[in-house]
Amino acid sequence: IVLTQSPATLSSSLGERVTLFCGAGRTLSTNYLAWYQQKRGLAPKLIIYDASTRAAGVPDRFTGSGSGTDFTLTISRLEAEDSAVYFCQQYGSSPLITFGQGTRLEI
Amino acid sequence: EVQLLESGGGLVQAGGSLRLSCVGTGFTFSHFAMSWVRQAPGTGLEWVSAISGSTGTTYYADSVKGRFTISRDNSKDTLYLEMDNLRAEDTALYYCAKVVAVGLLYFDHWGQGSLVTVSS
Repeated sequence: IVLTQSPATLSSSLGERVTLFCGAGRTLSTNYLAWYQQKRGLAPKLIIYDASTRAAGVPDRFTGSGSGTDFTLTISRLEAEDSAVYFCQQYGSSPLITFGQGTRLEI
Repeated sequence: EVQLLESGGGLVQAGGSLRLSCVGTGFTFSHFAMSWVRQAPGTGLEWVSAISGSTGTTYYADSVKGRFTISRDNSKDTLYLEMDNLRAEDTALYYCAKVVAVGLLYFDHWGQGSLVTVSS
């Protein structure tokens, strides 16, 4: 399954809200979709799994939603530390695991 | 605290071999599937391989199938990736990642990565 993320780059300001998109080439029947945040020079960090469940310690400013082929990650009340690349990943369909190409968020 | 520490990366010529290791601490290593994910310089993430916790069932991306071998030694809490017949396009930072569960193949903890550079 090909995952396509948009936009490639997104610029916003402190306190604003942004929405990142991840589209699947085929329906994810199980909504097995995760989102990761990768800051410069660091390993990715899990923020959302099963399309909408926040990982431990992730603030409620991060919200995942969607089903089927269309998924979104919304970040509210942007903070400077949210600057990062965000990747989506599917884990329920063949091939076993695929990642989107990422969205770079600049605050 | 879960920690994953990779080692074994380096510079190798095309056609050569390299073995990566990843030691996991802070959790019961044998209870969890583990995986390797790589990231070529300035690009996105690519899943490479995964292995179940106890049965040792293995999974590979098509791009490495037949060249890479994933294994684990639960007595040493260590994950391995044996990479043979390396190609320039295998150049990447290789992350070791802990899988939440077999069947739920997403990654709740990552190492800091081990850099593999393949020269042509």
